[in-house]
Amino acid sequence: GQNIDQPTEMTATEGAIVQINCTYQTSGFNGLFWYQQHAGEAPTFLSYNVLDGLEEKGRFSSFLSRSKGYSYLLLKELQMKDSASYLCAVTDSNYQLIWGAGTKLIIKP
Amino acid sequence: DAMVIQNPRYQVTQFGKPVTLSCSQTLNHNVMYWYQQKSSQAPKLLFHYYDKDFNNEADTPDNFQSRRPNTSFCFLDIRSPGLGDAAMYLCATSRARGEGNEQFFGPGTRLTVL
Repeated sequence: GQNIDQPTEMTATEGAIVQINCTYQTSGFNGLFWYQQHAGEAPTFLSYNVLDGLEEKGRFSSFLSRSKGYSYLLLKELQMKDSASYLCAVTDSNYQLIWGAGTKLIIKP
Repeated sequence: DAMVIQNPRYQVTQFGKPVTLSCSQTLNHNVMYWYQQKSSQAPKLLFHYYDKDFNNEADTPDNFQSRRPNTSFCFLDIRSPGLGDAAMYLCATSRARGEGNEQFFGPGTRLTVL
């Protein structure tokens, strides 16, 4: 079966750094997405990785290791508005997007 | 701004009373998706259209139907809503299928079944 694993919930402090991990087992791999979803709203695109390594975009970075079936999203200089769920999603060999259940990130002052 | 629009944002229906959710897009994307998302769960793909080519997920109940009359519009029909169908319904689009095609989401319709 296909599976995406993420922690259910994480807590971090405003101004700090947090790393959200994602491991996957899918039938094939054609890229990994991270989306941000605020409560009651739709997911919005954060990043895409298809090759191994780190992609940096402002305060957010995403890392991929295809051999380990592993990715992480790194958020720096946390702000209160970063409180949201972060969803990891993998495109499989049929170009279907397989979604994780998301990690709820709680930011404390 | 190019976008994905969903109406209504909140829909209340009665048990067994048919309901239609609508989605429109100004992105001129070929692919449109309907997802069901329940609280703290991953979005669950119900259907997708690649242009006019309809793709039904194997575990999507027959109670759910979809129509895409043209490139811009897509509808989700729930023929006889049950209490278990209460959820957020998300419409998304992508330019194409394949590597790197990010999906753009509408704001969602939250369905309540009484």
